[in-house]
Amino acid sequence: AQKVTQAQTEISVVEKEDVTLDCVYETRDTTYYLFWYKQPPSGELVFLIRRNSFDEQNEISGRYSWNFQKSTSSFNFTITASQVVDSAVYFCALSEAENQGGKLIFGQGTELSVKP
Amino acid sequence: GAGVSQSPSNKVTEKGKDVELRCDPISGHTALYWYRQSLGQGLEFLIYFQGNSAPDKSGLPSDRFSAERTGGSVSTLTIQRTQQEDSAVYLCASTIDIGGYNEQFFGPGTRLTVL
Repeated sequence: AQKVTQAQTEISVVEKEDVTLDCVYETRDTTYYLFWYKQPPSGELVFLIRRNSFDEQNEISGRYSWNFQKSTSSFNFTITASQVVDSAVYFCALSEAENQGGKLIFGQGTELSVKP
Repeated sequence: GAGVSQSPSNKVTEKGKDVELRCDPISGHTALYWYRQSLGQGLEFLIYFQGNSAPDKSGLPSDRFSAERTGGSVSTLTIQRTQQEDSAVYLCASTIDIGGYNEQFFGPGTRLTVL
């Protein structure tokens, strides 16, 4: 069965610190997709990144980077030099390619608080 | 507008009443999804549409919940005889097709409070 686990419920850091949000997933599919979404206090989910199961290259986008490791079924997200505007709830999600219609299975979310 | 819109943004209702939640997807998006976000359950899938058909309704929590989509566009989620445990934020998302790879664009949600 598919499952996404974000073990960190809340993280609090001081501005400019680096922070890593963990995500571990379970799936029996060989083809699947992983996503990170950000939910700021306004409530709307904002897409951050998508990764397919055949592409294990890490990705960097500005202060954001993602580490995908199939061997440990993890897709971790690091924010470098965090800023107050990064404060939000971050969700990791899984979508399976086979017969699932693209529905997203979400982790429980990690609430990140960045203090000035 | 260019994004997914949902109405109403907030709905307060009394236990036992029926409610309708509306979602307007991005124009041209064939796939539409409903999710629910509640404190106890996190973000959970309810139902998705491909065009006007709903191939997967597995996430609907009970037969009090139903949804339809007309003209391959607007969707309505109906909750009959609301209960307090239905209180949650109901999120709608749309995407270009159901391949699973595509980014889902989310609306702002409807916050439902059942008194």
